[in-house]
Amino acid sequence: QQPVQSPQAVILREGEDAVINCSSSKALYSVHWYRQKHGEAPVFLMILLKGGEQKGHDKISASFNEKKQQSSLYLTASQLSYSGTYFCGTGPISGSARQLTFGSGTQLTVLP
Amino acid sequence: NAGVTQTPKFQVLKTGQSMTLQCAQDMNHEYMSWYRQDPGMGLRLIHYSVGAGITDQGEVPNGYNVSRSTTEDFPLRLLSAAPSQTSVYFCASRGNPGQGNSGANVLTFGAGSRLTVL
Repeated sequence: QQPVQSPQAVILREGEDAVINCSSSKALYSVHWYRQKHGEAPVFLMILLKGGEQKGHDKISASFNEKKQQSSLYLTASQLSYSGTYFCGTGPISGSARQLTFGSGTQLTVLP
Repeated sequence: NAGVTQTPKFQVLKTGQSMTLQCAQDMNHEYMSWYRQDPGMGLRLIHYSVGAGITDQGEVPNGYNVSRSTTEDFPLRLLSAAPSQTSVYFCASRGNPGQGNSGANVLTFGAGSRLTVL
């Protein structure tokens, strides 16, 4: 079953912050975040494992709330280059990227 | 090191025609997979393979066939195309466990193949 992402779309001004949520009706073991720029292939951002630490990638960080079965992606002081569609994928406890199930995506647009 | 290469980039088919989407990787990855991407649906897994000679079904396998005769290649076949198969198709491979740098946790995607079935 696909994880549910919210919001579906968000428009920001450069320098503003955004949060993208990914939740699952089933137990979450690992959450994989990818970003896809328009017309390009998805690219890996980070992975969070159950019981692991909050991760960061430049000014993008993510958290994993096991109780809520939810992961959140935080984009701080957004840059124009952050525009794209963000996907979360759920996977096994090992963190393997095998058979990932992706959400429907969140389209992020950063305006100057 | 080309990564994951998909061909063709664009294809238009008529209903009932057959075709093969090619996928090749030069990273010696054992795991390869095919996803389709549709608006509002995200990426859905069609088929995957954990090594030469081994394939299995994903979420949406109907209407598609795969085979894996070599480590490098993982073609996706549409035997009788239908308009519902109009989509963007992505091939992705994963690093092998035990090779270090957590490659097994990362999917590397090809550039995609846009297929239109009329």
